[in-house]
Amino acid sequence: GIQVEQSPPDLILQEGANSTLRCNFSDSVNNLQWFHQNPWGQLINLFYIPSGTKQNGRLSATTVATERYSLLYISSSQTTDSGVYFCAVGTGTYKYIFGTGTRLKVLA
Amino acid sequence: GAGVSQSPRYKVAKRGQDVALRCDPISGHVSLFWYQQALGQGPEFLTYFQNEAQLDKSGLPSDRFFAERPEGSVSTLKIQRTQQEDSAVYLCASRGPQGIEETQYFGPGTRLLVL
Repeated sequence: GIQVEQSPPDLILQEGANSTLRCNFSDSVNNLQWFHQNPWGQLINLFYIPSGTKQNGRLSATTVATERYSLLYISSSQTTDSGVYFCAVGTGTYKYIFGTGTRLKVLA
Repeated sequence: GAGVSQSPRYKVAKRGQDVALRCDPISGHVSLFWYQQALGQGPEFLTYFQNEAQLDKSGLPSDRFFAERPEGSVSTLKIQRTQQEDSAVYLCASRGPQGIEETQYFGPGTRLLVL
């Protein structure tokens, strides 16, 4: 099956810093999403981005499907950005394979 | 409207007990997913429903796991004869009728601890 690797596994930032999170996947996909899991465990969808670039406020994401990777950019990080960021990929209409996540801690 | 809700939020079971975990999806969402999330890992797919039909149960770890959605809304994940390795957070998600491009909305999860 498809392998999904995320890097870095852990990241500590000072408030206001920028960061880039990476997701590599081992095969062609037709579905890629980024999620944020807050410290209380709630998963929130950030982007549906099988290809191209999208932006939402301080967050943006880029997927280069032909090279099998996606990037999530966080600018001017805030303490509320802390948590775990997952990418999830799929080849069909419903089955998602999640990566192991990047654990982000933003310090005040 | 209300989001996805799950109950109970926490469940402690003795090894060998049966448990039932409930998911109330967003009203009108045809797709419903169950995931298992072990500590420090990403969610792993368990099963998928479209309305009342269970279209994929390939992720269920064993025949002790059973899921149903008899009326196409509320879903129950049942685990029989629980084992310690079943300890995890069980997440439910629902998705609207537009399919793959629509967001999955996750519930808060049920944290199961098997002693």
